[in-house]
Amino acid sequence: GENVEQHPSTLSVQEGDSAVIKCTYSDSASNYFPWYKQELGKGPQLIIDIRSNVGEKKDQRIAVTLNKTAKHFSLHITETQPEDSAVYFCASLSGTYKYIFGTGTRLKVLA
Amino acid sequence: GAVVSQHPSRVICKSGTSVKIECRSLDFQATTMFWYRQFPKQSLMLMATSNEGSKATYEQGVEKDKFLINHASLTLSTLTVTSAHPEDSSFYICSASLGTGQGYTFGSGTRLTVV
Repeated sequence: GENVEQHPSTLSVQEGDSAVIKCTYSDSASNYFPWYKQELGKGPQLIIDIRSNVGEKKDQRIAVTLNKTAKHFSLHITETQPEDSAVYFCASLSGTYKYIFGTGTRLKVLA
Repeated sequence: GAVVSQHPSRVICKSGTSVKIECRSLDFQATTMFWYRQFPKQSLMLMATSNEGSKATYEQGVEKDKFLINHASLTLSTLTVTSAHPEDSSFYICSASLGTGQGYTFGSGTRLTVV
């Protein structure tokens, strides 16, 4: 069935360094790819998204890239700060309403 | 922006009792809402899709008689965990679709503990 693989499962970086999280999806009909940040005990919050007709999107320190041919999309966080520490989930959406979520990446930014 | 309000944020109940969790879209109409369950350090597991005015669609393995979903209006969906047992203890999260092919907005989640 459809699935989204997400790597790494945990990531530790020094404050100020960059963090990259990668996802691979299987459904070639997927056309919308959001990234969510989830802090402990809270619901996921959308931080950035990209549609299949775009290769890259940036919002301040956060960027997402999409390679449709390889079915890869990645989250890039630059100049990381301690408050970036959280669990990050990627997801894909095809023609239906249902998201397929990745397994999550626990990011720790070390001060 | 689109806001989904989920209530309560935490609930502790005794085994055998039922618990209702509410999910409201505050500034938009949501014909479709989703209910997820999340175990510690795991991803979100879709339980069911809640459709306004019709029956919910449950994912495989989710007991519809145990997890009752009602979506009686365009802004409110409820999940009732009936005859709760300790194994039902989990983090439950709702979300609402902003429209075809658009993103979801998530509620803040409900931590259910059954003792």
